[in-house]
Amino acid sequence: DVKVTQSSRYLVKRTGEKVFLECVQDMDHENMFWYRQDPGLGLRLIYFSYDVKMKEKGDIPEGYSVSREKKERFSLILESASTNQTSMYLCASSLSSWGNYGYTFGSGTRLTVV
Amino acid sequence: ELKVEQNPLFLSMQEGKNYTIYCNYSTTSDRLYWYRQDPGKSLESLFVLLSNGAVKQEGRLMASLDTKARLSTLHITAAVHDLSATYFCALIQGAQKLVFGQGTRLTINP
Repeated sequence: DVKVTQSSRYLVKRTGEKVFLECVQDMDHENMFWYRQDPGLGLRLIYFSYDVKMKEKGDIPEGYSVSREKKERFSLILESASTNQTSMYLCASSLSSWGNYGYTFGSGTRLTVV
Repeated sequence: ELKVEQNPLFLSMQEGKNYTIYCNYSTTSDRLYWYRQDPGKSLESLFVLLSNGAVKQEGRLMASLDTKARLSTLHITAAVHDLSATYFCALIQGAQKLVFGQGTRLTINP
């Protein structure tokens, strides 16, 4: 089974800090994604990447950046954390051919900015 | 732009009853997915529906797709407590992106 591992389950950071959320997948998937999940809003796409060093903005990229230096690792960066970035962050990966299961998700990082 | 709307957003039901979650979407898409999320956990893929009239069943859950109506349903038969979770539908936009509905939080009471 594909595994998508997010480095932290819970994080508490202060306003203005630079925050790194790490995601690693172990099955050579081309595509990787970062979503945030908020009650009543479902999942909203922040950034995605379809290849090493490639990135595309999603629907809500403001305040975030990403890095993909290796195929298996996709990092989400909050340049200067703010309280409105308190949320659950989910990383996902997929094959370019999609297959029958779409994305495989990590277990999520619940970030609280105080 | 693809928009996906689920209803209801919250559903409380008794064990043994049947109910349906609806997923409406605004533009055509090649695939529709249903996911399940347990509290504090990640999303688990349940079904993928590829064509008009597609029906998939797993245990007490059955998903169907009507592309002409731009509607998918997730039907729960004789609900049991273990099915309590949040259910999401999602569709592909463009080549790579999944667009999700808001989610339906399902609570099944004994």
